[in-house]
Amino acid sequence: GENVEQHPSTLSVQEGDSAVIKCTYSDSASNYFPWYKQELGKGPQLIIDIRSNVGEKKDQRIAVTLNKTAKHFSLHITETQPEDSAVYFCAASIPLIMYSGGGADGLTFGKGTHLIIQP
Amino acid sequence: DVKVTQSSRYLVKRTGEKVFLECVQDMDHENMFWYRQDPGLGLRLIYFSYDVKMKEKGDIPEGYSVSREKKERFSLILESASTNQTSMYLCASSLVWYNEQFFGPGTRLTVL
Repeated sequence: GENVEQHPSTLSVQEGDSAVIKCTYSDSASNYFPWYKQELGKGPQLIIDIRSNVGEKKDQRIAVTLNKTAKHFSLHITETQPEDSAVYFCAASIPLIMYSGGGADGLTFGKGTHLIIQP
Repeated sequence: DVKVTQSSRYLVKRTGEKVFLECVQDMDHENMFWYRQDPGLGLRLIYFSYDVKMKEKGDIPEGYSVSREKKERFSLILESASTNQTSMYLCASSLVWYNEQFFGPGTRLTVL
């Protein structure tokens, strides 16, 4: 099944600086890569996603890049603000038609990155 | 806005009890998911359902079962709760397979 590795586990940056979180995946059939943000006491919420036919996607201060050859994708947050402090999860998904059943391959999440914005 | 609700925010049960965790979504989504979240392990998929009465195992189905009798409701069942099932349980739904999943607020289950 799919395996997603996420680094770093904790990231502390000064307010206004940029933050980068990196993920790698193992299954070359994966074609959907979302990023979720989880604030304390809440469920994760999608902040940006990218599909395998796109190399980069931006939404204001957030961008995601995808390298399918190397099987890695990254989240970039620029001009960080205190409200960016949260746990961030990357994930990878294979198409349902390729799902073989009996195990892992729905949406596989990384273990998360605790982003701390220092004032 | 899509809303995913879970029956309890906090739950305390005894070892051996049968536990039901309920999840309801209000946006007519086809797919529903149950995850557990543990420190340092991220989110791990327990079961998912892509249609009423249909279910598929995820990464860690052992000790759990699910039920989806109606499209909007997906239940997670712990047949005989054990202490290693103490965790945060998150329910999610999505309209199509590889699209945004909307999460509920989670149920923190403690098994004593």
